[in-house]
Amino acid sequence: AQSVTQLDSQVPVFEEAPVELRCNYSSSVSVYLFWYVQYPNQGLQLLLKYLSGSTLVKGINGFEAEFNKSQTSFHLRKPSVHISDTAEYFCAVSRGGTGFQKLVFGTGTRLLVSP
Amino acid sequence: DGGITQSPKYLFRKEGQNVTLSCEQNLNHDAMYWYRQDPGQGLRLIYYSQIVNDFQKGDIAEGYSVSREKKESFPLTVTSAQKNPTAFYLCASRPQGDFTDTQYFGPGTRLTVL
Repeated sequence: AQSVTQLDSQVPVFEEAPVELRCNYSSSVSVYLFWYVQYPNQGLQLLLKYLSGSTLVKGINGFEAEFNKSQTSFHLRKPSVHISDTAEYFCAVSRGGTGFQKLVFGTGTRLLVSP
Repeated sequence: DGGITQSPKYLFRKEGQNVTLSCEQNLNHDAMYWYRQDPGQGLRLIYYSQIVNDFQKGDIAEGYSVSREKKESFPLTVTSAQKNPTAFYLCASRPQGDFTDTQYFGPGTRLTVL
């Protein structure tokens, strides 16, 4: 079974500073990896996903993530954050394939951007 | 505009009452899901449905029930048997033929038991 660990429950950062949100996963098979963002009292919005190919994935709002198979990581980065990036970020993993394949979520990382 | 709608946005319930949360999508997606979100716990799967008239229990189905009579609709009933129903509930759907399990979410319903 897959699992996802987001080590940081909260990451405070100043506006225009770079940020990295960490995600590690465990799985005995190949996986698909996702990052979702949730603004207060809203649903989840897909930021980016890794399916195969290039290990550097670019998403919306200037975010990118790098898949590292040897370290089983999929960290999310942004070179310069804005106040509007304040939100909760969830990493998720799926085995994919036909039939039902469960999407497993981490516990989330709250990004707090201050002026 | 295509999307997933959930209603109501906020819902209050007295203890011992059943309540139904609505989820509708016009994306022509086959699969639909219900998740429960509690602070610090991420999302937990309650029920899912891959086709009309079929649904399966997720990890925390006790105290909940669903139906899937139409492709567009997947309502969730929180019954009085659910011991701690106060939470944020999210509905999601998956595109037809998508084997990566990319899911798209509705705006959520916050349920508070008084």
